[in-house]
Amino acid sequence: LAKTTQPISMDSYEGQEVNITCSHNNIATNDYITWYQQFPSQGPRFIIQGYKTKVTNEVASLFIPADRKSSTLSLPRVSLSDTAVYYCLVGEPTWSSASKIIFGSGTRLSIRP
Amino acid sequence: DTAVSQTPKYLVTQMGNDKSIKCEQNLGHDTMYWYKQDSKKFLKIMFSYNNKELIINETVPNRFSPKSPDKAHLNLHINSLELGDSAVYFCASSPGGDTQYFGPGTRLTVL
Repeated sequence: LAKTTQPISMDSYEGQEVNITCSHNNIATNDYITWYQQFPSQGPRFIIQGYKTKVTNEVASLFIPADRKSSTLSLPRVSLSDTAVYYCLVGEPTWSSASKIIFGSGTRLSIRP
Repeated sequence: DTAVSQTPKYLVTQMGNDKSIKCEQNLGHDTMYWYKQDSKKFLKIMFSYNNKELIINETVPNRFSPKSPDKAHLNLHINSLELGDSAVYFCASSPGGDTQYFGPGTRLTVL
């Protein structure tokens, strides 16, 4: 089971690019890296998922180095509405292995005007 | 047209009572889950359910039982509620187990 380590909190300002790094030193060959966003009083929301190199969607980019022992979620030009907790998860993309997935404490991102 | 819905949103009850939380997804997904988020905001998976096959997190007390009347529903029934059961419970679904879509949560308070 790959454990993840993220900064507890980060602060930034509107319009800046924010990069949140997650360490997962014992990631397994079949594991994917998934990031979720959670606003207060809401359920987590899927942001992005990747296996290696770089993945980009309309919300964020995910950078994964060759050794896959870490990953970086990049949020371009953040706004106040990006203030949330961001979770990094590592696990196999099968339903049965989902029971082993653990959400850590996440990174609490605060965006200021 | 909410993708994953839960009812009720808030549930306040006395210790020892039995209660249920309902979850419905209209995404056509095969897999559903229940999570518990405690006061420290840690999200812990409780159950995974796929095509009538259930995987239980071994730390979950047997007072908790998921019930699935059909593929679109996975309800959570809790017997003999305890103070420590107070938390926010999230239902989620996924097409294959990797990307999960979460419901809005049910805040359970046991008095």
